[in-house]
Amino acid sequence: QSALTQPASVSGSPGQSITISCTGTSSDVGGYNYVSWYQQHPGAAPQPLIYDVVTRPSGVSNRFSASKSGNTASLTISGLQPEDEADYYCSSYTSENTVIFGGGTKLTVL
Amino acid sequence: QVQLVESGGGVVQPGRSLRLSCAASGFTFNTIGMHWVRQAPGKGLEWVAIVWFDGNNKFYADSVKGRFTVSRDNSRNTLYLQMNSLRDEDTAIYYCARQRSMAPGAIDSWGQGTLVTVSS
Repeated sequence: QSALTQPASVSGSPGQSITISCTGTSSDVGGYNYVSWYQQHPGAAPQPLIYDVVTRPSGVSNRFSASKSGNTASLTISGLQPEDEADYYCSSYTSENTVIFGGGTKLTVL
Repeated sequence: QVQLVESGGGVVQPGRSLRLSCAASGFTFNTIGMHWVRQAPGKGLEWVAIVWFDGNNKFYADSVKGRFTVSRDNSRNTLYLQMNSLRDEDTAIYYCARQRSMAPGAIDSWGQGTLVTVSS
């Protein structure tokens, strides 16, 4: 059960868009439309951003969008704002009825 | 309003045991699966375990299989994690989390976490 692969860090300026990738295998990301994304600010619990690959929970800004192609899922944040600076994690349901997380990506808003 | 409140964390020696609890409120506890997720200091999230709504199905990460046991008491709206044979690498904040309905693997609510430190 190796973690899903995410870039360790990404950065962007206010107003720009960034994309974070999340690569797994056919036993997790590629095999199911059950990818989720979470945002975590320092010292806080994670907060849900996306589930079922593309669905935003109520209350989540439409600046957050996501997609999947094959074994790789992606989260895009448009119109970057300073408060978007946080850690971002993907996760996927797996063929073993478990859940696997990505290693996390630190977003810096320049 | 969903509330998940973990307790039971603390400092424990390697090889010893500890039981975490998570008191749930604000929703119908016996209808939804519950997860434990942990985060080592300065590290990423690691999924630990899930127990289905009725307590009859449980699944674990390889790193804890055979040492940790997840359970629930639906009459008390409480989730548990029994941790045996603790190792240094089990040091982490342990979060209790609620499964999102009809969305396998997705979590829609998290507790604030309880810190477990394994150290001699």
